[in-house]
Formats: sequence, C-alpha cells, structure tokens
Amino acid sequence: KNEVEQSPQNLTAQEGEFITINCSYSVGISALHWLQQHPGGGIVSLFMLSSGKKKHGRLIATINIQEKHSSLHITASHPRDSAVYICAVPSNTGNQFYFGTGTSLTVIP
Amino acid sequence: GAVVSQHPSRVICKSGTSVKIECRSLDFQATTMFWYRQFPKQSLMLMATSNEGSKATYEQGVEKDKFLINHASLTLSTLTVTSAHPEDSSFYICSAGPGGFNEKLFFGSGTQLSVL
Repeated sequence: KNEVEQSPQNLTAQEGEFITINCSYSVGISALHWLQQHPGGGIVSLFMLSSGKKKHGRLIATINIQEKHSSLHITASHPRDSAVYICAVPSNTGNQFYFGTGTSLTVIP
Repeated sequence: GAVVSQHPSRVICKSGTSVKIECRSLDFQATTMFWYRQFPKQSLMLMATSNEGSKATYEQGVEKDKFLINHASLTLSTLTVTSAHPEDSSFYICSAGPGGFNEKLFFGSGTQLSVL
C-alpha cells in the first residue's frame, strides 16, 4: 500500500467547472504539500498546509488531520490549469517525502 | 521567492558517456537537496538526499556508483550519471527548501536525459 493515495488519476473537465482532487495518506504528518507539474516537467509548489484551509486565487486546499485527508479544489477551471497535481507528505522520520501518483487534469475550452 | 536552478534542461548522450546535472539554490542556502527520477506518467521517485559536506544518502535500489552526488557548497549539488545506458533515460529533477520539510518546496526545472 502506498503511503499517499490520490484520486482520481485522470480528470477531464469543461472550462468553468469546479474541480476536486483528493489525497489520503497513512503516515503521521506535520505538513502536506500540493504540487503542480506542467507538461514541460517543471514543478511548482502550490500549497503547504498543516491544518484547515488555504486559498490562493482560484485554488483552495483543505486538510483534515484526523481523517488523514486533503483536497485540492479549483474554481472556475481554465485550460491553463491543465497539469498534473501531486500531493506529498514528509515521512515520519522527516528525511524524505512520499508522493502521490498524481492526478492528470485536462480542462477543455 | 526561493528559486532552484537546474541545468541542463535536456541532454542527449551516447551510451557509455557520463552526464553531469547541476542543481543550484539561487537565493538561499540549502544544506540538503533531493534528487528525484520520474518516468513518463509516473510520480516522482526519490533517488538520494544530498547533504552538504558529507556523503549522500541513497534510497534502496539506487546504485551510488552509478549516480554520483556531490554537494560541495551550500548552493550547489550535482548528480553525475556515470557510464550512461539507454535504461538511464529519464526525467531527473532536484528540489530544495530553505526551511526543511515543513516549509515550501522548491524544485528545479528538471533535466530530460536521453541516452542513445
């Protein structure tokens, strides 16, 4: 079993739709990271959160520590949001990260 | 914000040659950097943790003599793929952060290695 599970693996949406990507983890964590990887390969850190909710523009990330679950929401999705979204959590020993397998999002105009 | 620069972005080499990839932290000191490998449509796989001034820590299954890591300064880590073979073709990416695991992560832009 992977330490970090993401769903869905692939997601296609129409422009303007509200999108939710889920992440469940099995390790105890101090923080969870949401990353965005564009087709060219570059990775950008979107959020780092340890409780509650964070918002940046059209992106919202929530985390429930008790349930070991986090969600990434995209409001009013746009084709430029098309990318792979990855959640990552530090290991218990704090010396590495566990990565989800990613959610490939395609937003159609 | 903190920036991590990775070079080259793409390299094509002949089988048997060695390839060096550089990862630099541009505006912060990074005592630890991480090297990842990513196959198409798969997630990041940690290869090794690069520690400034000491030996790198390699993940299980990663050959340390094959993937040489040097972290000689607080702003530079290098990954050298020695005697590259076609099966080494992959996307390699580094990351670092000024504050460790509870701080924001910063990634290099990645290096696409193709071994002919």
